[in-house]
Amino acid sequence: EPEVTQTPSHQVTQMGQEVILRCVPISNHLYFYWYRQILGQKVEFLVSFYNNEISEKSEIFDDQFSVERPDGSNFTLKIRSTKLEDSAMYFCASRVLGSSSYNEQFFGPGTRLTVL
Amino acid sequence: GQQVMQIPQYQHVQEGEDFTTYCNSSTTLSNIQWYKQRPGGHPVFLIQLVKSGEVKKQKRLTFQFGEAKKNSSLHITATQTTDVGTYFCAGPSSNTGKLIFGQGTTLQVKP
Repeated sequence: EPEVTQTPSHQVTQMGQEVILRCVPISNHLYFYWYRQILGQKVEFLVSFYNNEISEKSEIFDDQFSVERPDGSNFTLKIRSTKLEDSAMYFCASRVLGSSSYNEQFFGPGTRLTVL
Repeated sequence: GQQVMQIPQYQHVQEGEDFTTYCNSSTTLSNIQWYKQRPGGHPVFLIQLVKSGEVKKQKRLTFQFGEAKKNSSLHITATQTTDVGTYFCAGPSSNTGKLIFGQGTTLQVKP
């Protein structure tokens, strides 16, 4: 069964450093998302991406964040200068093309980001 | 903005007891989705409800969508230890399909 994959599974970084989180969505999916989950809290939307551009972003997704689809398979989230409060689990998700209201999202296993 | 609230936050039950989690949205939803997250895992889609008053069953799980399409519930009959995890409801917001998640209900089942 196809699945979303993410690397690395755990990333430890120093405050102020740049990190890139990588995702490979399911191959026939066309909508991509990044969510984050601070330990013990709910899943929060960061950004949605379609047709090679950001379609929507949350207040969390400020100038320190960027996303890219550098090739036909990878979908990356970059944090330019990490802060302590960026420590969280980051989930990539994807869904097929279709009505935005009627398709489940498939989540990757997540990358746990720890900022020291 | 749109908010999705869930209660209770935690529920401890004895194996074999029933469990229910409730979800309320501040706005009318086009549909509601339920996800399960096992400890240390990622959200896994369970079901989507679309119609007002809809009821769907998956074995011991019963999902309901309210008549006003603003609330939903998940009921598990005769819980098993495999039901342990956090159950999230989520509503799509905007035409990009982004999901607004509830806080989740964490279920612990004592054998």
